[in-house]
Amino acid sequence: GIQVEQSPPDLILQEGANSTLRCNFSDSVNNLQWFHQNPWGQLINLFYIPSGTKQNGRLSATTVATERYSLLYISSSQTTDSGVYFCAVERRTNAGKSTFGDGTTLTVKP
Amino acid sequence: DGGITQSPKYLFRKEGQNVTLSCEQNLNHDAMYWYRQDPGQGLRLIYYSQIVNDFQKGDIAEGYSVSREKKESFPLTVTSAQKNPTAFYLCASSILRDRVGGYTFGSGTRLTVV
Repeated sequence: GIQVEQSPPDLILQEGANSTLRCNFSDSVNNLQWFHQNPWGQLINLFYIPSGTKQNGRLSATTVATERYSLLYISSSQTTDSGVYFCAVERRTNAGKSTFGDGTTLTVKP
Repeated sequence: DGGITQSPKYLFRKEGQNVTLSCEQNLNHDAMYWYRQDPGQGLRLIYYSQIVNDFQKGDIAEGYSVSREKKESFPLTVTSAQKNPTAFYLCASSILRDRVGGYTFGSGTRLTVV
């Protein structure tokens, strides 16, 4: 199956700092999603981004499908940004079935 | 408000019992999914369904069963054949045609074997 690798596995920041999270995948995909999981386990969809760049407030994401990676940017981080960030991809040959990476655990300190 | 509801939030299972986790959505989404999450790990796909009365196995379907009799509902049964069922179970839904958005997740069910 497709391999999804996220880096770094853990990240600790001071409030106000910027960060970049990376997602590499091993095959062609027809969609890619970024999620934030809060400490209570709730997963929130941040971006649906099979290609190109999107922005939503302090967060933005870029997917370069031809080079098989996606980046999630967090600017001016806040303590509420803490949690686990997951990338999930859906192969072109296996529509409807998304594979998740192991996540990046972000801790933002006040 | 539209959303996806999982129940119960916490569930305790005795050895040898079957238990059923509920997942209901009122988003008019075509597809529904069940994922399992173990501590410190990502999500693994158990089953998914793109249409009523049809579903496909995911990567870890052994010991689980599902049904999709209604578009809104996709219950998951954890059978006694699942040897290590203690985990966090998440249900999700999505549209399939003209997709502009991704998955919507429920708040999850934490299952513990006692």
